[in-house]
Amino acid sequence: GENVEQHPSTLSVQEGDSAVIKCTYSDSASNYFPWYKQELGKGPQLIIDIRSNVGEKKDQRIAVTLNKTAKHFSLHITETQPEDSAVYFCAADPDDKIIFGKGTRLHILP
Amino acid sequence: DGGITQSPKYLFRKEGQNVTLSCEQNLNHDAMYWYRQDPGQGLRLIYYSQIVNDFQKGDIAEGYSVSREKKESFPLTVTSAQKNPTAFYLCASSISRTGGWNTEAFFGQGTRLTVV
Repeated sequence: GENVEQHPSTLSVQEGDSAVIKCTYSDSASNYFPWYKQELGKGPQLIIDIRSNVGEKKDQRIAVTLNKTAKHFSLHITETQPEDSAVYFCAADPDDKIIFGKGTRLHILP
Repeated sequence: DGGITQSPKYLFRKEGQNVTLSCEQNLNHDAMYWYRQDPGQGLRLIYYSQIVNDFQKGDIAEGYSVSREKKESFPLTVTSAQKNPTAFYLCASSISRTGGWNTEAFFGQGTRLTVV
């Protein structure tokens, strides 16, 4: 079955700098790769996603890249702000279920 | 307001008792999921259902049971057979995955279960 590895588990960046979170997946049948943001005490919410027929997608300060050959995808957040502090999860979606990475806790330092 | 609702937000139970967590959605989604979240473990899939009256085990189904008698409801029962039930439980739903066109999952706000 699908296995998703996510790194790093914790990331601290200065406000205004960029943050990068990386994930790898194992099942070549996966064709949908969403990223979720979870704030304390709440359920995760989708922030961006990418499908396997696309190499890169951008939405304002957030971008995701996908390398199907290497089976890895990354989340890039530019010009980080205090409200970006949260836990971020990548996921891969091979068929009828969603498999998540273990999450990255992002701290934005003042 | 369309969405997915979990209740209660906090739940306390004595060891050895079964407990049922509620999950209701009015998004007309076919697919529903239950995840367990522990610190440092991410989201682990317990059970999922693609259609009414059908469901499949996820990676950590032991000690849990579900039912899908209605499209909008997917309750999770944590049985006394679950060795370490204290955790944060998340329910999610998404549009039917028929044909392989996968889409965003919408999550509830979670239920924090504490077994004492």
